[in-house]
Amino acid sequence: EADIYQTPRYLVIGTGKKITLECSQTMGHDKMYWYQQDPGMELHLIHYSYGVNSTEKGDLSSESTVSRIRTEHFPLTLESARPSHTSQYLCASRAGNYGYTFGSGTRLTVV
Amino acid sequence: QKEVEQNSGPLSVPEGAIASLNCTYSDRGSQSFFWYRQYSGKSPELIMSIYSNGDKEDGRFTAQLNKASQYVSLLIRDSQPSDSATYLCAVNGGADGLTFGKGTHLIIQP
Repeated sequence: EADIYQTPRYLVIGTGKKITLECSQTMGHDKMYWYQQDPGMELHLIHYSYGVNSTEKGDLSSESTVSRIRTEHFPLTLESARPSHTSQYLCASRAGNYGYTFGSGTRLTVV
Repeated sequence: QKEVEQNSGPLSVPEGAIASLNCTYSDRGSQSFFWYRQYSGKSPELIMSIYSNGDKEDGRFTAQLNKASQYVSLLIRDSQPSDSATYLCAVNGGADGLTFGKGTHLIIQP
């Protein structure tokens, strides 16, 4: 059973809309990450957090923002969705320097 | 810039044979190494982690690490069609967490 949850699983939304992708974990992990992955392509890190009130941008230039007000919650927000944002978004968390646990992902389509 | 290199494949292996997946990394300071399996349309799943030189076995999977050569490999014995997936090598070495390779697409032929 997954200990890291992403909602929604699928989302189709119109251009210009504001959206928030939810990610929650019940493992008490301090470190959390957001990745973007197009089908058959590599993972791109877009945001990460070391803990509450900590957020950093990753390698991929992104028009999204994140917040970390609670340890278990790491939502990602797109202020104005565009077709170029169509992708799969994966949330992950980790304890210490162990491997990541990934959520099931949100597949976003912007029309 | 930290890099993790993998042959993208596809790597085609007959059912029942050994599949060998390879990965090299650029950061000599890396301490932790991971293999993930990702089925099409799904999220990556951690299958092996290795932290010291040598071999680590878990069921049909064996991870091998050679820090001097900056080389990590994954062996899958008695390959099954259900092993067909993309395998991602990941290396820990920076403040921003794991660096992932682009993945090797493995096909097990029945």
